[in-house]
Amino acid sequence: AQSVTQLDSHVSVSEGTPVLLRCNYSSSYSPSLFWYVQHPNKGLQLLLKYTSAATLVKGINGFEAEFKKSETSFHLTKPSAHMSDAAEYFCVVTPYSSASKIIFGSGTRLSIRP
Amino acid sequence: ETGVTQSPTHLIKTRGQQVTLRCSSQSGHNTVSWYQQALGQGPQFIFQYYREEENGRGNFPPRFSGLQFPNYSSELNVNALELDDSALYLCASSSKGQEYNEQFFGPGTRLTVL
Repeated sequence: AQSVTQLDSHVSVSEGTPVLLRCNYSSSYSPSLFWYVQHPNKGLQLLLKYTSAATLVKGINGFEAEFKKSETSFHLTKPSAHMSDAAEYFCVVTPYSSASKIIFGSGTRLSIRP
Repeated sequence: ETGVTQSPTHLIKTRGQQVTLRCSSQSGHNTVSWYQQALGQGPQFIFQYYREEENGRGNFPPRFSGLQFPNYSSELNVNALELDDSALYLCASSSKGQEYNEQFFGPGTRLTVL
């Protein structure tokens, strides 16, 4: 069985400070893990993906995530938040090579304070 | 390269009616997945189509059905609409046989059931 838990429904940071969005997963298979971002009234955009290669994954817009198997975590980080980062972020788990069991987390809304 | 497109953008229906939503996949993609995203929640996997056949289904009743056409575009049909069907419906395309399952999302169709 698979599941994904995003530990914070809302995170608020000041512009220029670090961002941490937390995600824990459970999977019976070797998982593929993704982070997607959704801006208001826009579709979902892939930020980054983990597919059993390097455990530290770099994505677009300065985001990165580290796969930690011992902690079953895949937290998303960014060193310095920008106003344009304000959006909803989703952590996604799927078995390697099986799109039919894709599971989204409930989302974390990131707010950026000026 | 054309991205994933969906139509219509918005739709209002009443309980008991039927609705058809449409999706054109990204060029070169042969797989289409549909998701339901209720307000304030993460997307829920409805089903996936590959080579015009259903290739995996989430926990949705049979009144949710779909089609995929030879050009890989797809339709989502929902019969006997209920108030709880009000949501953003997202379509995503991908290419089966990829090492991982990166999905490319359309902007969605906002369905309101009154």
